[in-house]
Amino acid sequence: DAKTTQPNSMESNEEEPVHLPCNHSTISGTDYIHWYRQLPSQGPEYVIHGLTSNVNNRMASLAIAEDRKSSTLILHRATLRDAAVYYCILRSNAGNMLTFGGGTRLMVKP
Amino acid sequence: DAGVIQSPRHEVTEMGQEVTLRCKPISGHNSLFWYRQTMMRGLELLIYFNNNVPIDDSGMPEDRFSAKMPNASFSTLKIQPSEPRDSAVYFCASRFRGTPQETQYFGPGTRLLVL
Repeated sequence: DAKTTQPNSMESNEEEPVHLPCNHSTISGTDYIHWYRQLPSQGPEYVIHGLTSNVNNRMASLAIAEDRKSSTLILHRATLRDAAVYYCILRSNAGNMLTFGGGTRLMVKP
Repeated sequence: DAGVIQSPRHEVTEMGQEVTLRCKPISGHNSLFWYRQTMMRGLELLIYFNNNVPIDDSGMPEDRFSAKMPNASFSTLKIQPSEPRDSAVYFCASRFRGTPQETQYFGPGTRLLVL
């Protein structure tokens, strides 16, 4: 699987939007972009995924660059419960596995 | 659905003892994954099954580790003999293979401490 690069940590204020970046310059045409997050003392949970177009769901939005070499996970209003490690993962269309990198630790200040 | 169920949630054992971790995937899911998470190495895939058949065990550290999936609703990860460096959180995840997003659903994990 192609690699992703994320900042180690980010800080946000409660109730403000958060933009979590991810670089994946070696992405191939069939790679899906997945985001998972891991809350403290829990297993990872799915957040959102996309291929080429921007995506929205109840948890977040995913903005994908036109060249697909980067993407941004957007939390529209961060809450204290959003404090977690966020993982950006590329999954090939034929791939079975998720390869987790270091992720971004998001800290939310009240 | 109750989600992925793992047991025990915590295990403390002494070096040399056998450890068995258990996982019940979400009903209807046909893929199952075992991961290990440590501070040093992060989250690593150990092995995964499709339709109860082991597909890729290249992440299994060594022969002391073994995993089985006797049926669609149960899997075990066994460490024999256990060593202090096996201390980690072990996660099981399941997925229904065939959906576009192929979302994996993780259990709460088993926190293993080998003394």
